[in-house]
Amino acid sequence: DTAVSQTPKYLVTQMGNDKSIKCEQNLGHDTMYWYKQDSKKFLKIMFSYNNKELIINETVPNRFSPKSPDKAHLNLHINSLELGDSAVYFCASSQVSGPKYGYTFGSGTRLTVV
Amino acid sequence: AQSVTQLDSHVSVSEGTPVLLRCNYSSSYSPSLFWYVQHPNKGLQLLLKYTSAATLVKGINGFEAEFKKSETSFHLTKPSAHMSDAAEYFCVVSSVSGNTPLVFGKGTRLSVIA
Repeated sequence: DTAVSQTPKYLVTQMGNDKSIKCEQNLGHDTMYWYKQDSKKFLKIMFSYNNKELIINETVPNRFSPKSPDKAHLNLHINSLELGDSAVYFCASSQVSGPKYGYTFGSGTRLTVV
Repeated sequence: AQSVTQLDSHVSVSEGTPVLLRCNYSSSYSPSLFWYVQHPNKGLQLLLKYTSAATLVKGINGFEAEFKKSETSFHLTKPSAHMSDAAEYFCVVSSVSGNTPLVFGKGTRLSVIA
């Protein structure tokens, strides 16, 4: 069974569209994250949720809105997509007491805005 | 504030020779340190982690890393490179208390030559 699963794996869309990426974890973890990996492979945190509550919100455009219906899911909705949003987006999870032990990452969603 | 610096953006070794990927960290807290590996078009896999226990940490696939507080370093080594080791490697820092998100280095691309 996949521990952290993201859908879709690939997403190609036009500028101005609205899209969502879904993430689910079956590890029983309390905390979930979204990271963005740019074209130079640099990974930067975007959001973190602990038990459905937002705890980290880095400097991310308001067009990005995370939604956590329960602690096993953290979805990322993006409005009015721009060319610069093209990247690989990774979802991850950890125990609230265990980020020091590392995160479990999903396989990523490659978003291409044309 | 926490940060990591990966001293080489690209390392190339011959198959069967040792691998050394260098990482220096900066942390206001006692750090947790990790190495993650990303194979082409794949997700992120945890290689090994240091969380204030033994300073020499052994990971998967024959990799190990040594935490040196005096040098603020956490270099990754492997005695003998294999073709399958070719990938992007990320040094990552968090705090032992776990209340800060993982901060990634910019990555080192390892090439293995036959």
